[in-house]
Amino acid sequence: EVQLVQSGAEVKKPGESLKISCQGSGYSFTFHWIAWVRQMPGKGLEWMGGIYPGDSETRYSPSFEGQVTISADKSDTTAHLQWSSLKASDTATYFCARRAIRSTVAGTLDDALDIWGQGTMVTVSS
Amino acid sequence: DIVMTQSPDSLAVSLGERASISCKSSRTVLSTSNNKNYLAWYQQKPGQPPKLLIYWASTRESGVPDRFSGSGSATDFTLTISSLQAEDVAVYYCQQYHSIVWTFGQGTKVEMK
Repeated sequence: EVQLVQSGAEVKKPGESLKISCQGSGYSFTFHWIAWVRQMPGKGLEWMGGIYPGDSETRYSPSFEGQVTISADKSDTTAHLQWSSLKASDTATYFCARRAIRSTVAGTLDDALDIWGQGTMVTVSS
Repeated sequence: DIVMTQSPDSLAVSLGERASISCKSSRTVLSTSNNKNYLAWYQQKPGQPPKLLIYWASTRESGVPDRFSGSGSATDFTLTISSLQAEDVAVYYCQQYHSIVWTFGQGTKVEMK
């Protein structure tokens, strides 16, 4: 079964660091982009950025660049999202998701987010 | 960044009736290299991660009921639920993945009337 399993809920204080994880299984982890998506309480979805585990190419939304770090470890098929100094405004649920690869007559194409992790709830409060 | 704007923000539809959601992008999401619209639709139910329904604007993901359909091109897109079922009550998001920075619409909440 193709799946992404995320680490458990976290409760942290402002200023603390945090690294959450997303482990892929059932597919070739190296060849699919992994995206991170934030959902603040009662709000919509925000694309934070993504990583290609094959070569660790990383892209960030301007809204999140410098605020978080995305990384991946091919050896244990895990992607990570980390903060060096959390703020109360980082309180949210964070989803990882796999970018699909579709076969077409012209070859393969990277596509939308077809497999999602269950989400990691992060609460930052003093 | 490409801004995605959905309308309406919410709608209430009777069981078995049609629901339509509009999504407009501030720039085209049509790729000139392969003539595909890089536009997806997702469904999110409370307490669950989003689920991919439609990709390339009109291609249904495997396992998605055929009452869900997507249409449109370039900057104007529509998600249609032809006959609303109870299990379709959810929030629906469009997303463009044409530019390097991906963006979602703000979401449309679909409720039962």
